[in-house]
Amino acid sequence: EVQLVESGGGLVQPGRSLRLSCAASGFIFDDYAMHWVRQAPGKGLEWVSFITWNGNIRGYADSVKGRFTISRDNAKNSLYLQMNSLRAEDTAFYYCAKGSDSLTNWGQGTLVTVSS
Amino acid sequence: AIQLTQSPSSLSASVGDRVTITCRASQGISSAFAWYQQKPGKAPKLLIYDASSLQSGVPSRFSGSGSGTDFTLTISSLQPEDSASYYCQQFNNYPLTFGGGTKVEIK
Repeated sequence: EVQLVESGGGLVQPGRSLRLSCAASGFIFDDYAMHWVRQAPGKGLEWVSFITWNGNIRGYADSVKGRFTISRDNAKNSLYLQMNSLRAEDTAFYYCAKGSDSLTNWGQGTLVTVSS
Repeated sequence: AIQLTQSPSSLSASVGDRVTITCRASQGISSAFAWYQQKPGKAPKLLIYDASSLQSGVPSRFSGSGSGTDFTLTISSLQPEDSASYYCQQFNNYPLTFGGGTKVEIK
């Protein structure tokens, strides 16, 4: 069974940093691209970033470009999102998701709250 | 970025009704299109991929159609457990984009 478990969320002050992790199991992790998608409380879904199976290609939404960095460690079956210079508008549930096209599996999400 | 306009934003229907949700893309995206269901407090779940292919384990009352710019999700006979929000998504181009969502309520 595919499992994706996010961690690392919490309350952080504007301008500070946070690193999210996603632990994957139940599939061959390095066969798949991975994504981060976020959802502000009560709002819709917003794609944030993706990384190819080998980490060679990464993409970002304009809203996070230059502030967020996606990475992965295939030896640890783990995906990461380094978030710097956080803003109030980054407050959201952050989901990791598996898939090269459609997003076939999602984690349960981790809540990031940016507030002073 | 490709914009997806989803309608309606909400609907209320009775058990057994046929429900249709539409999504229009701002440019042609072939069949690089998916539908997701999200229940309160839960992660989204893939229902339909490649515009019309049913994801494994998803009930057959769900179906998708369309290509190019116009896409439809149909629930042939609404069930109580279908109360949820539904989102469309394109994966033809990056950035990936989602529609604004449709909240389906049971009368």
